[in-house]
Amino acid sequence: QKEVEQNSGPLSVPEGAIASLNCTYSDRGSQSFFWYRQYSGKSPELIMFIYSNGDKEDGRFTAQLNKASQYVSLLIRDSQPSDSATYLCAVRDKLIFGTGTRLQVFP
Amino acid sequence: DAGVIQSPRHEVTEMGQEVTLRCKPISGHDYLFWYRQTMMRGLELLIYFNNNVPIDDSGMPEDRFSAKMPNASFSTLKIQPSEPRDSAVYFCASSPRDRARELFFGEGSRLTVL
Repeated sequence: QKEVEQNSGPLSVPEGAIASLNCTYSDRGSQSFFWYRQYSGKSPELIMFIYSNGDKEDGRFTAQLNKASQYVSLLIRDSQPSDSATYLCAVRDKLIFGTGTRLQVFP
Repeated sequence: DAGVIQSPRHEVTEMGQEVTLRCKPISGHDYLFWYRQTMMRGLELLIYFNNNVPIDDSGMPEDRFSAKMPNASFSTLKIQPSEPRDSAVYFCASSPRDRARELFFGEGSRLTVL
């Protein structure tokens, strides 16, 4: 079992919809998590991190963490075509990344 | 502010040749990381440094790979001899002490070994 798992996608959503990206991790001792966005041919850029159970909101982005279920998610509200990218989940304390979910937002 | 600077951006070489990738971290950042990204395996941590000292090199795939950080503003990742399976994008990232592990990535070096 991989330490961080993500569905590779693509996840296709219409413009204006909510995109939901999911991530599971295997080490119950993991404490905190990153979400990175990577455009094709570019480097990853940090969107947000979360370390407490519950929700953390930043603009159109909401990260959700459930340590009991070992589950992290990223919600993108009012999705835009410019959100089309690969989204990487990472265990912050171990510096381990998932392979990413490709999101496509169509007009 | 200048970000993390990597060179070369693209490298095409033949199997058996030595490859050296270079990285200049963001000034003032205490941590430097080398990652490799492929479609199959995603982003893999190879090694990271704290204050120029290697902390964890368990991700370095084999002895053909070596990394150095002679000073706070420069690091190299060397592959000798290179093999086709080393073809990947190699990213360097840095982070500041007060926000350790929040990675600021360079643009990457795309390596193709023929």
